[in-house]
Formats: sequence, structure tokens, C-alpha cells
Amino acid sequence: GESVGLHLPTLSVQEGDNSIINCAYSNSASDYFIWYKQESGKGPQFIIDIRSNMDKRQGQRVTVLLNKTVKHLSLQIAATQPGDSAVYFCAENSGGSNYKLTFGKGTLLTVNP
Amino acid sequence: DTAVSQTPKYLVTQMGNDKSIKCEQNLGHDTMYWYKQDSKKFLKIMFSYNNKELIINETVPNRFSPKSPDKAHLNLHINSLELGDSAVYFCASSLLGSQSIYGYTFGSGTRLTVV
Repeated sequence: GESVGLHLPTLSVQEGDNSIINCAYSNSASDYFIWYKQESGKGPQFIIDIRSNMDKRQGQRVTVLLNKTVKHLSLQIAATQPGDSAVYFCAENSGGSNYKLTFGKGTLLTVNP
Repeated sequence: DTAVSQTPKYLVTQMGNDKSIKCEQNLGHDTMYWYKQDSKKFLKIMFSYNNKELIINETVPNRFSPKSPDKAHLNLHINSLELGDSAVYFCASSLLGSQSIYGYTFGSGTRLTVV
């Protein structure tokens, strides 16, 4: 079936290092992808998105890379800070007219001071 | 200035009871959603309404009944609560047809505990 999954369920980095969170998707028809950040006790918060006609998009300290050949998505966080500690989800638009987002399992990022 | 607000934030109730969770958004969005997040943090869509019309209805027990009185509100009523209903329920909204058509705004969640 269609699914979005993450390679690593947990990631621990030192403050100041760069972080890379990976995601694999299986629906080749997906045309839109989003990364969300969820802090403890809060709802998911939009970080950055990318459409399938792009392979890279940059934001403030974050970069999303899309490799459609291998159906792989990654989120890079530069100079990771303690405030970046959270669960990160990738989500894909499953296509069709329902505008349904399918979420991956999530990766817990812990930033050590 | 809360964009998507849910009430209550916490809900503890006994098995067999009926309870409701309310959601309101002040973003002018036309589409609202309910997601369920289990203990492993997995987020799964339950329902979606566009301009008060149901557009997504995943395989959810019919004990769950969403109601959308207007496009700014989407409530979730749950009958005969079971232990397995314990989870965090998130409301979200989006504006179809906009550039960020798929960018949801989430509420802060309702943690439901059935004992």
C-alpha cells in the first residue's frame, strides 16, 4: 500500500552540528511534500514544503531535498539548536482530489548542549 | 489570536461514555480535518470537511461522528468510548485553491484518556 516512512526513529546531535532527517515515500503520484515539526504538547507546525517539479528548496536554516528517482525526501537543519529538539514528520499529498496528507512515522531529534 | 483552537485540551472519561471535542479556526480556511495521533506518534487522518461538506471519511468506527455547522467549526462526537480511543486528537484547517493548498494549520490537540 501507499506509505511514507522514516529511516531513523531517533537522532541525537550536538548543538551547532548539522542534522539530516530522512524520509522514504512509495506513492510515485505524490506531487507535494511537507516537513512538520512537533514539539512536546503541541500540534505539528509547518516547516517547509516542496513540489515534485523541484529537487531542492531552502528556508531559514532548513533545506529540503527531493529525489524522485529513489522516492526519498530529506530535511537538513543547519547549526542545530536546542530549540530544534522535537519530532519531525514528512507528509505527502496522496494525490487525487481529496487533498489528503499522509504522514510518516516521525523522527525524534534531540539536540545536546 | 489562536488560529486553530480545540477544546478541551485534556479529557479523561470512563468507558462507555459519550464525549465531544470542539474545533474552531479563525483563518478564513474552507477545509477542516480531524487527525488521530497514537502513542507511537503516528498521525492518521479521520475526517475532512470542505465548506461544511464531508470530503474524506477514512475507515473510522461509526461511533465517531463529525459535525460542521459552518466552515469555521468542526466538532467530533464520540459515542460509547473504548480504551482504544485513547489518543491525541488534532484538528487542522487549510485553504483549498491557495498556493499553500496542502499546508495545514494544526490545533494544539486534545488528549483523550479512556479509563
